[in-house]
Amino acid sequence: QVQVQESGPGQVKPSQTLSLTCAVSGASIGGGYFYYTWIRQTAGTGLEYIGRVYPNGSPTYNPSLKSRVTITVDTSKKQSSLKLTSVTAADTAMYFCRYSFGTSDIWGQGTLVTVSS
Amino acid sequence: DIQMTQSPSTLSASVGDRITITCRASQSIGRSLAWFQQKPGKAPKLLIFEVSTLENGVPSRFSGSGSGTEFTLTISNLQPDDFATYFCHHYNSYFETFGQGTKVEVK
Repeated sequence: QVQVQESGPGQVKPSQTLSLTCAVSGASIGGGYFYYTWIRQTAGTGLEYIGRVYPNGSPTYNPSLKSRVTITVDTSKKQSSLKLTSVTAADTAMYFCRYSFGTSDIWGQGTLVTVSS
Repeated sequence: DIQMTQSPSTLSASVGDRITITCRASQSIGRSLAWFQQKPGKAPKLLIFEVSTLENGVPSRFSGSGSGTEFTLTISNLQPDDFATYFCHHYNSYFETFGQGTKVEVK
């Protein structure tokens, strides 16, 4: 059974860089088409698409975050990483990773990141 | 960017009711429309994709319909497990956007 797990610091200081990792287990490497998507959720703004990365490393980003976001993939480790620079309190959110393969989408349980000094 | 407007934001209902949630897109999105259910502290759970296709394991009391810019999620014979928040979701090869959510609460 495929499982997805986000990890990273639960607190980041304003103006610093938020870094999260998404690890997939139970999936075979090279098992067809797949990609990783990062989504965040706040009580105020709801669910917000951050971006997506494909096996060839090609990313797409939400235009509203594009200047601050980098999403990468390491297919050998079955991981994706999210970096968000120059964070503010508005970036406080639950961050989800979603692994899509074939016709399936598996979400991680999410990780709460608080931006606070 | 395409915006998704969902209504109502809150819906009060009783077990056994039939309820409908509406989602409107700011422009035509074809059939790239999904519905999610979310419970507190959990990740969203896919219910329906491509407007009306039920995800495996989702009860048949859930149904989706619509086309172009207007879409609906209907839950017939509402069950206790269905009290949750529901989101519509538009997706394409380079972007995704979600509705603001509809909280279905006990009347």
